[in-house]
Amino acid sequence: EIVMTQSPVSLSVTPGEPASISCKSNQTLLHRNGNNYLDWYLQKSGQSPHLLIYLGSQRPSGVPDRFGGSGSGTEFTLKISRVEADDVGIYYCMQGLQTPCTFGQGTKLEIK
Amino acid sequence: VHLVESGGDFVQPGESLTLSCVASEFSVSDNSMTWVRQPPGKGLEWVSFIYSDGNTDYADSVKGRFTVSRDTSRNTIYLHMTGLRLDDTSIYYCARLFRDVDLMNGHYVGNYALGVWGQGTSVTVSS
Repeated sequence: EIVMTQSPVSLSVTPGEPASISCKSNQTLLHRNGNNYLDWYLQKSGQSPHLLIYLGSQRPSGVPDRFGGSGSGTEFTLKISRVEADDVGIYYCMQGLQTPCTFGQGTKLEIK
Repeated sequence: VHLVESGGDFVQPGESLTLSCVASEFSVSDNSMTWVRQPPGKGLEWVSFIYSDGNTDYADSVKGRFTVSRDTSRNTIYLHMTGLRLDDTSIYYCARLFRDVDLMNGHYVGNYALGVWGQGTSVTVSS
């Protein structure tokens, strides 16, 4: 199975400052169709996860443009341009190229 | 568009349980769906898919014990769990996802964009 590794495990960010989370896979997530099957999810405390980014860099409607995804192949990054208090929670990457789908271990974002 | 899970309970090891996930404002038969679980204080773990074409997939940890199905008349998917173990204790979420079609061979490729999630239902396995 594809192993997903996130870093850092946790980060503490001052509101208004940027934040960056890395996600690496041990196999490429790039299909010959040009899509990277890598999603990002945010799970706030006591809530279900919700989708932030799909196919590596696509942002669903309703997700603020402060959130951006980049990368290809085996290395991906989620960037928050200006962190807000509401962004606290655990961020997960997930690969969907192969079954079993696998998630990273999560990155906990806290506000300073 | 939303999903509502139910059926979670406190059960003993070896017992069975069936979870339900009712969809609103979209058809489960036209979409691929998944079950994802989260043990207490831990991360997310994929459990099962039921695809729009009716095919299914399972994580190795549940294969042979769990069965995913759907009832189009009730617009509901189910997760029938047998031989429950202590490590099956989790919150179970259902979600809707997307798949692509490989234009070269017509096969489905990728499972992504779990864009609609239920609120989760709790399963506790304990003696």
